[in-house]
Amino acid sequence: DVKVTQSSRYLVKRTGEKVFLECVQDMDHENMFWYRQDPGLGLRLIYFSYDVKMKEKGDIPEGYSVSREKKERFSLILESASTNQTSMYLCASSPQAGRHGDYGYTFGSGTRLTVV
Amino acid sequence: QKEVEQNSGPLSVPEGAIASLNCTYSDRGSQSFFWYRQYSGKSPELIMFIYSNGDKEDGRFTAQLNKASQYVSLLIRDSQPSDSATYLCAVRGSSASKIIFGSGTRLSIRP
Repeated sequence: DVKVTQSSRYLVKRTGEKVFLECVQDMDHENMFWYRQDPGLGLRLIYFSYDVKMKEKGDIPEGYSVSREKKERFSLILESASTNQTSMYLCASSPQAGRHGDYGYTFGSGTRLTVV
Repeated sequence: QKEVEQNSGPLSVPEGAIASLNCTYSDRGSQSFFWYRQYSGKSPELIMFIYSNGDKEDGRFTAQLNKASQYVSLLIRDSQPSDSATYLCAVRGSSASKIIFGSGTRLSIRP
C-alpha cells in the first residue's frame, strides 16, 4: 500500500513563526499536492508538484510556499504564520495519470495546525 | 457553477437501508471519477473509482456513472452506523491533470 506520511498530527505555532509541514511518500509517485480543509469550505488546493524541483500554484497559494528537492518529499512552508492559517493540512500523492491506471490520490493522515 | 457539485446534507438513512449519494460535474470531457469517504477528523480514503458508463460494484458499494447526464452516484446497500461519514465526489477532468473535489455530502446512518 502507498504510504503518505505527514510529520506531525497536531501542531501549535505562534503568529509570525515560520512553519514547515513535511510530507513523504514511499511509492515513487510523480505528483504531490498540498490541501487545506476547513469546515464548510471543502478541500482547497494550495500548491502541487508534478516533478522534482517543479511547483505550481493551486487555488489559494497566498502566504504559502513549497519545496520539492527530492521526489518523495514535498514540504509546505508558511512564511509567517497567521491565525487565519489555522486549519487541517492534507498532503496527497498520485502516480502520473495513466501510468498504472488512475487510482486517484492517496492522502496522508493530515496535520491539524493551530496558530495562536 | 461549481465544477463538481454535491448536496452537503446531512443525509439521514435508517440502518439497513440503501444510501444514495449524488454528484454532478461540469467538464463533459472528464475521464475518471472517484468516491472518497472521510470520517470526522480523519483524512479522505478512496473507496470507489469508475471510468466507464454504467455500474461498478464492490461489496456493499455501487458506483454509477452517466456521462451523457454528467452525474455520478454512490449507492451503499445495507447501511451500517460505521458508514456515517462525509463522502467526497472527485473528478479528473479532460486536461487529465488535477482531480477536482466536491465539497462532500455528510451521511448519517441512524440505528
